[in-house]
Amino acid sequence: QQQVKQSPQSLIVQKGGISIINCAYENTAFDYFPWYQQFPGKGPALLIAIRPDVSEKKEGRFTISFNKSAKQFSLHIMDSQPGDSATYFCAAGFTGNQFYFGTGTSLTVIP
Amino acid sequence: NAGVMQNPRHLVRRRGQEARLRCSPVKGHSHVYWYRQLPEEGLKFMVYLQKENIIDESGMPKERFSAEFPKEGPSILRIQQVVRGDSAAYFCASSPTGQGAVGYTFGSGTRLTVV
Repeated sequence: QQQVKQSPQSLIVQKGGISIINCAYENTAFDYFPWYQQFPGKGPALLIAIRPDVSEKKEGRFTISFNKSAKQFSLHIMDSQPGDSATYFCAAGFTGNQFYFGTGTSLTVIP
Repeated sequence: NAGVMQNPRHLVRRRGQEARLRCSPVKGHSHVYWYRQLPEEGLKFMVYLQKENIIDESGMPKERFSAEFPKEGPSILRIQQVVRGDSAAYFCASSPTGQGAVGYTFGSGTRLTVV
């Protein structure tokens, strides 16, 4: 059973545009929803995270929107830049325990 | 202030050999997690360890794979009698002790190639 489903698989956005990546999760008991950014040859790095008692969290150009009733959350990258080109993974799980990861979205920002 | 250190970065093994992957967590972190990433796929959980204890190994294949996190030294992921299907990137992550620990810090991974 896939605990976290992520879409789209790949995304191409013009510089300055908005990138949107969506995720859906299964377990309503999950209490932590992080997003990770991974560059080729590197390990994933924590980008931003949210807890289910908050509907939105913003850090710079990155925003997580969280819909508890729909069991969905999404990452919005405003004013997308070529340096944002990377693979993004959503995850869901329990604090201090394992996380379940989505299959990743390859983002390409065209100059 | 070193992050999670994994070595080797790249490992080539012939079918039937053993692969041994090492992970040193962030200083002060006592929770270690191993994930496997196949090409074009997401990260798949393998095992969660604390010092000298395996907490959750539900993602580990039943045979040939084992993991440990001894009192002293790095965590080790061991794959015996490797097969081509074991070729993947293996990532280790660590987190702080106790409740309220949030998020992981990942290492740069070990890329295993079985020839």
